[in-house]
Amino acid sequence: SSELTQDPAVSVALGQTVRITCQGDSLRGYSASWYQQKPGQAPVLVLFGGSKRPSGIPDRFSGSRSGNTASLIVTGARAEDEADYHCYSRASHGNHLGVFGGGTKLTVL
Amino acid sequence: QLQLQESGPGLLKPSETLSLTCAVSGGSVSSSNHYWGWVRQPPGEGLEWIGNIYYSGSTFYNPSLTSRVTISVDTSKNQFSLKLTSVTAADTAVYFCARQSWFDTSEFDIWGQGVLVSVSS
Repeated sequence: SSELTQDPAVSVALGQTVRITCQGDSLRGYSASWYQQKPGQAPVLVLFGGSKRPSGIPDRFSGSRSGNTASLIVTGARAEDEADYHCYSRASHGNHLGVFGGGTKLTVL
Repeated sequence: QLQLQESGPGLLKPSETLSLTCAVSGGSVSSSNHYWGWVRQPPGEGLEWIGNIYYSGSTFYNPSLTSRVTISVDTSKNQFSLKLTSVTAADTAVYFCARQSWFDTSEFDIWGQGVLVSVSS
């Protein structure tokens, strides 16, 4: 079983704001990174260090952390944001080991 | 711009060994700021971290796979490789190679396109 837990599916109305969460003990000590994956494509890094955006990622993607929960927030969702989102962090049971969440399917209505 | 490209057989029989190589271009596997990692994704499922390697040869593996997996690096060829022994149908997945930050943020910032490996008799 995954040490990081994500809701399997979340939906948001076009232009609205949505929060995708990732929960796990490792997040108390390590930051999360988040990946967007569209069908048939490789994942793309959208956030790292909990809230940092790589170059080229729109600022409508932001992140936060509280306790053992990391969040990816999409403000003003666009149709092109519809995708699977995966969180990742170092594992709580060993440094340099890693773990992904189960992924969340985001539907933009 | 750094790019990664996976290569290897796409079809295996149960009990065979999966062998994949990730060629690195536009950069060096000898970077002191990065690991080089493997991630897989069974059809219709989420991502699973397999393991990674530092250019020095230090390796770190998913505890659920550690008895069957070996990751190696060849700095002369600027590539790294994955071997997974005794495969079963449960190992059917798209396998991605990726560059991972050495720092605590440990993000995967560059990914290969992925290669589908199917295990079937």
